[in-house]
Amino acid sequence: AQKVTQAQTEISVVEKEDVTLDCVYETRDTTYYLFWYKQPPSGELVFLIRRNSFDEQNEISGRYSWNFQKSTSSFNFTITASQVVDSAVYFCALSEGGATNKLIFGTGTLLAVQP
Amino acid sequence: EADIYQTPRYLVIGTGKKITLECSQTMGHDKMYWYQQDPGMELHLIHYSYGVNSTEKGDLSSESTVSRIRTEHFPLTLESARPSHTSQYLCASSEGGSSGANVLTFGAGSRLTVL
Repeated sequence: AQKVTQAQTEISVVEKEDVTLDCVYETRDTTYYLFWYKQPPSGELVFLIRRNSFDEQNEISGRYSWNFQKSTSSFNFTITASQVVDSAVYFCALSEGGATNKLIFGTGTLLAVQP
Repeated sequence: EADIYQTPRYLVIGTGKKITLECSQTMGHDKMYWYQQDPGMELHLIHYSYGVNSTEKGDLSSESTVSRIRTEHFPLTLESARPSHTSQYLCASSEGGSSGANVLTFGAGSRLTVL
């Protein structure tokens, strides 16, 4: 069965702190895709990143970075020098692949960045 | 600028009423999805569509129904709303293809409260 676990329900940090959001996944597929989405208070989910199972290179985009490790089935997300605007719910998701393109979401991590 | 639109954003209705949540996208995407989001943040797929005249039930059983008569339009209907239907409903779309790599674009959501 495929599953995504985000063990951290809520995290609170002070502005400018670094914070890492954990994501652990389970799948039997050899080809799969992992995603991170951000859900600000306005409600819509905003796409942040997609990785495929064959590309374990870490990625950096501005203050955001992602660490993908197949050996531990983890796809963690780090925000450097957090800002109040980073406050949101962050979801990790796994794509089953195939025709349906269904996403299986983790339960989300609520990040609160205090000024 | 949103490419996927949901109306209404907020709706409060009484038990037994029939409601339709509208979802339209302007991207020409073949695939569309409805997710239900618990107050505790978890997202569950309740319906999806591969294209016109194609609809499937998702992973979470739902009393709602959907239709896909036009590519751009994927409305969700509850024939007789109950308090247990109180939730946030998120519509999404993605391009066709069978790789599982496609990014889902989400609408802002419809928050339904049934009294």
